[in-house]
Amino acid sequence: KQEVTQIPAALSVPEGENLVLNCSFTDSAIYNLQWFRQDPGKGLTSLLLIQSSQREQTSGRLNASLDKSSGRSTLYIAASQPGDSATYLCAVKVYSGGGADGLTFGKGTHLIIQP
Amino acid sequence: NAGVTQTPKFQVLKTGQSMTLQCAQDMNHEYMSWYRQDPGMGLRLIHYSVGAGITDQGEVPNGYNVSRSTTEDFPLRLLSAAPSQTSVYFCASSYSAASTDTQYFGPGTRLTVL
Repeated sequence: KQEVTQIPAALSVPEGENLVLNCSFTDSAIYNLQWFRQDPGKGLTSLLLIQSSQREQTSGRLNASLDKSSGRSTLYIAASQPGDSATYLCAVKVYSGGGADGLTFGKGTHLIIQP
Repeated sequence: NAGVTQTPKFQVLKTGQSMTLQCAQDMNHEYMSWYRQDPGMGLRLIHYSVGAGITDQGEVPNGYNVSRSTTEDFPLRLLSAAPSQTSVYFCASSYSAASTDTQYFGPGTRLTVL
């Protein structure tokens, strides 16, 4: 069974720092990996999607990498801002032979950017 | 586009009551799914649908029913609510189940079962 682990569980840094969030998964047979952002009391917003054949994706100050063979992904946030404070979730998509299964999520990293 | 909408935002039920959580999307997405989010756990898949008339079970389907009569709507029914079903429920959709398709999530329904 696929398991997704995110480290650290919580992180607090001063504004302006560059930071890295880590995600690992146990089964490398994935179709894609997505990073989401969740604000308190809100739904999830997709940040980046990396297909299994890709190594990285970039959007603005965000860069996500994928090493499928080692079962790892990182989300790099450059020049952090207080508005980046949120919980960041990593999820992998696995396609089983019987159908199009959903995403398997990690428990998230709760990020606080201090002004 | 309104995206993915969910109603109600909050609901309190008594044990044994039934109810339906509504989910709708206006993006003509074929793939829709339901997740529950509990403290200290990741989101877990309840049911999903790859198109109108087709549904399947996810990781935690017991106690829930779904149907997909239209492309737009994917309601989740609780047959006889139990305290263990206290959770935040999220509906999600994507254009298809392909690996290239981003999933879009609704704002969630916070359910408390007493």
